[in-house]
Amino acid sequence: GESVGLHLPTLSVQEGDNSIINCAYSNSASDYFIWYKQESGKGPQFIIDIRSNMDKRQGQRVTVLLNKTVKHLSLQIAATQPGDSAVYFCAENSKAAGNKLTFGGGTRVLVKP
Amino acid sequence: NAGVTQTPKFQVLKTGQSMTLQCAQDMNHNSMYWYRQDPGMGLRLIYYSASEGTTDKGEVPNGYNVSRLNKREFSLRLESAAPSQTSVYFCASSLERGKGGYTFGSGTRLTVV
Repeated sequence: GESVGLHLPTLSVQEGDNSIINCAYSNSASDYFIWYKQESGKGPQFIIDIRSNMDKRQGQRVTVLLNKTVKHLSLQIAATQPGDSAVYFCAENSKAAGNKLTFGGGTRVLVKP
Repeated sequence: NAGVTQTPKFQVLKTGQSMTLQCAQDMNHNSMYWYRQDPGMGLRLIYYSASEGTTDKGEVPNGYNVSRLNKREFSLRLESAAPSQTSVYFCASSLERGKGGYTFGSGTRLTVV
């Protein structure tokens, strides 16, 4: 079946450096993608989204890049802070599949002081 | 504005016991969802309600039932709990299915012994 996956389960980053979290997806019909952040003991929190008609979208300290050719999604966090330590999930939505939102397995980001 | 509120936060059940997880949202969202989160498996959809009055099965519906009581409330029931249902359960809502990010509750940690 279709799935969303992540390349790296754990990412260690020095405070102040930029972080890049990657996600591969297999459903070419996916038309909407979301990144979530989940801190320990909390529910996932929406970070940023992007539609399939875009290649890049920027938020506050975060940028999402979408490469439909290779079915790859990435989340870039600028000047990573201790508060960025969390698990990050990508999710894809396919309108053709009845607007089913599929989550990836998650990447843990650890920020070192 | 509380967002999505789940109760209880923690629960321990004996095998065969039943219980209902409650969820309410105050954002006037049409769609609501129940997910379970297990280590290494990400978030898996149990049931969803695209709009008031409708419910549909997700990826892992076996052993669960749901009720969309009204636009605000969506409950999840375990009729006869099994150890395999030990998990963290998240309720979420969105304005419409497939549009916009989902808002998640803080989760219910359920242990079945």
